[in-house]
Formats: sequence, structure tokens, C-alpha cells
Amino acid sequence: QLQLQESGSGLVKPSQTLSLTCAVSGGSISSGGYSWSWIRQPPGKGLEWIGYIYHSGSTYYNPSLKSRVTISVDRSKNQFSLKLSSVTAADTAVYYCARGPILATWGQGTLVTVSS
Amino acid sequence: DIQMTQSPSSLSASVGDRVTITCQASQDISNYLNWYQQKPGKAPKLLIYDASNLETGVPSRFSGSGSGTDFTFTISSLQPEDIATYYCQQYDNLPRTFGQGTRLEIK
Repeated sequence: QLQLQESGSGLVKPSQTLSLTCAVSGGSISSGGYSWSWIRQPPGKGLEWIGYIYHSGSTYYNPSLKSRVTISVDRSKNQFSLKLSSVTAADTAVYYCARGPILATWGQGTLVTVSS
Repeated sequence: DIQMTQSPSSLSASVGDRVTITCQASQDISNYLNWYQQKPGKAPKLLIYDASNLETGVPSRFSGSGSGTDFTFTISSLQPEDIATYYCQQYDNLPRTFGQGTRLEIK
């Protein structure tokens, strides 16, 4: 069955760029009709949708983060990635990847801490 | 952005109780509304999609209803394993938005 797995840096310094990758297994990221999303959850708080990408490369970013977010896809590796620039402590969160539009499949999440 | 308002924010109930959570959208989202369950340290799990459809493998004690702006999520007979935080989420408009969550505890 479809599985998603996040990986990347768990500790990022303020003002630097957070980079995460979501590896997709058990299915192709190029399957039509699906979006591939990033969602985050600060410790003890609710869920915030960051944005998505389609296999074609088209993207949509949450306006609250748009100036700092880039989501890309690597079809050859069956994965998609998140970059968030100019991070601050407010970006400390568990970051999840998921397949949409109905978010039926999620990765297990990865904690990213922003600290010097 | 469409605002999703869940109530209550927390709820304490006994095993066997019927539990109801509501979610109100700030504008009409038709039936593009999903419900998720999140247990501590775990990723959210989809329970209900398109307002009233039970995801495969989810127990039938979970149900959802509503359309437009007002939605309801119900657990017909609360079980100990249902202790979790529940979120609604709309996907009618971009950006996708979640409710603030309802924390469910056992009395």
C-alpha cells in the first residue's frame, strides 16, 4: 500500500533554510489526480497546511508562508520536497507530508527544531 | 481563507456515551469536509471524507453529516481507544484549512 516517509534536517539555525523530503513508496507520484501536500503542527498546537504540488509541477502555497516556501517534485526518485527559508523559532513543528486532496495517507512526521 | 470553527475545544465523556463534535465553515463548502483523528505522537488518520463517507477500515460507530457550512461528527458509543484529538478540514477552497481541534477525554 502507499507509504510516505519524511526525512531531512531535524535542527535548523534561525535565518537558515529548512529542507525536507518525502519519499513515496507503494505507488507512483506521477499517478494522475493526486496532490502531494506538506502540513505542519507546532508542539501542542493544531494543524497548518503549507502547500501542495502535482506531478506536473504545478504548486499552491499557503499565502501565510508563500514568500518563504518552495515545494518541488523529483519524479525519477518518486519523492517531493519542501524548502522553507528564513526560519524562526515559530517554524519549530512536526512536519508531515500527505497525499491529497483527501488526506488519506500521511507520513509519520518529522520534528524540526529551529534553534541556534 | 475559509475559517473552520470546531466546538467544543475539549470534551470529557464516559465509555458508551454518544459524542458529537460540530464544525462550522465561514462560507459554503458544499460537502468538501473531512474528519481526522490524531493520537499523541502520531500522524492524523482520516475517518470521514466528503462529510459523511466512512473511510475503509474505520469502525461504524464513527459517522459524519452536514453540508454547506454546518457539519457534525458523531461517535455513537465511545470506546477507550477513541481518546484523541479530532480535526475537521475543508478542501473546497485554497488554502486548505483545519479546525482548531477537539480534545476528547474519558471521564
